[in-house]
Amino acid sequence: AQRVTQPEKLLSVFKGAPVELKCNYSYSGSPELFWYVQYSRQRLQLLLRHISRESIKGFTADLNKGETSFHLKKPFAQEEDSAMYYCALKGGGYQKVTFGTGTKLQVIP
Amino acid sequence: DSGVTQTPKHLITATGQRVTLRCSPRSGDLSVYWYQQSLDQGLQFLIQYYNGEERAKGNILERFSAQQFPDLHSELNLSSLELGDSALYFCASSVALASGEQFFGPGTRLTVL
Repeated sequence: AQRVTQPEKLLSVFKGAPVELKCNYSYSGSPELFWYVQYSRQRLQLLLRHISRESIKGFTADLNKGETSFHLKKPFAQEEDSAMYYCALKGGGYQKVTFGTGTKLQVIP
Repeated sequence: DSGVTQTPKHLITATGQRVTLRCSPRSGDLSVYWYQQSLDQGLQFLIQYYNGEERAKGNILERFSAQQFPDLHSELNLSSLELGDSALYFCASSVALASGEQFFGPGTRLTVL
């Protein structure tokens, strides 16, 4: 079975402070990991995927297979980063995608 | 709009009733996924269709059913509604059969009174 755990329901940080949204997963094979973001009154959208190893809007995420984690990080939080963030895992082959319960990021001005 | 569309935006109904939610995928996408989003449970996968066939099932209640039509739009039918069914229902689509890169619709907010 595959599982995604986001331990924090709410994370509040001040503008300019570093951000780390935690994501831990459970999967026996080699997963694909994703971060999705949902801004207020907007639809859920893909933020980044571990395969691309890209930085989007200043956010990065590194897959740590030893710790089975895929934490989302940004060195300096901006007010526009306030949103709901979901970590998602897709197993190999035709496995479905499993989403975590989400973390609400609140950036305080 | 070439993105995923969902109708209606809002739906208010009473317990025991039946409703149908509609989703049109992005042009060219063959997979449609349905999710339920509630405050305490996050985003829960319900069911997936690919090119008209059911391909994966998640935590979908027996009172719920779905189908995907030849034109690839999909409908989620919710019956014998209960207060606990109140939630946001999202549809997503992707080109591939099973993809982690999904494109989401705006959602339908269902309120059961």
